[in-house]
Amino acid sequence: GAGVSQSPSNKVTEKGKDVELRCDPISGHTALYWYRQSLGQGLEFLIYFQGNSAPDKSGLPSDRFSAERTGGSVSTLTIQRTQQEDSAVYLCASSPGTGVGNEQFFGPGTRLTVL
Amino acid sequence: AQSVSQHNHHVILSEAASLELGCNYSYGGTVNLFWYVQYPGQHLQLLLKYFSGDPLVKGIKGFEAEFIKSKFSFNLRKPSVQWSDTAEYFCAVNPYSGAGSYQLTFGKGTKLSVIP
Repeated sequence: GAGVSQSPSNKVTEKGKDVELRCDPISGHTALYWYRQSLGQGLEFLIYFQGNSAPDKSGLPSDRFSAERTGGSVSTLTIQRTQQEDSAVYLCASSPGTGVGNEQFFGPGTRLTVL
Repeated sequence: AQSVSQHNHHVILSEAASLELGCNYSYGGTVNLFWYVQYPGQHLQLLLKYFSGDPLVKGIKGFEAEFIKSKFSFNLRKPSVQWSDTAEYFCAVNPYSGAGSYQLTFGKGTKLSVIP
């Protein structure tokens, strides 16, 4: 079956512009996560959605970052007024739920470059 | 907050050499532990995971890891590496809250280069 897909695969933008990154999770997965991987760093948790519950936004680095998940499926991560330090690979993952044993399945990522 | 340390940034081995990648975490409670691998140009994928039971867990492609609670460690091992094991390896921790745990805290990764 299809895995997690993300679009675009690459995005180059100018400082100050807004960008939207999209994630299509595996069908039937109720949990969706966004992570960021910066050069030389590990993966940093950004935000988590589970079903219809309020998202956990505790990992978002600033109020320029926001995310939504429509209809419990597709998610969009929006970065407003992009800065050069936002350059990173943004990874989306989904899992069947959040109980013990739920593996997170990762997408290919969107590489964001802010000039 | 929990953190994960991977001791080696880049490891270079010849084929057939044995591999051990270190991972230590800081969290005093019950944890779920993972190793993920990212082959060049591919997605992150799960190598193995530990939730409970036997602290020696086996994963795909001949990898195994041992959870040593007293040392807060979850080191990854493989007795004989192959060129195809060239990849970046990430250790991750998920503290188990009982109410349903979710986010993963990752280490910074270890790049493994295997020389034919």
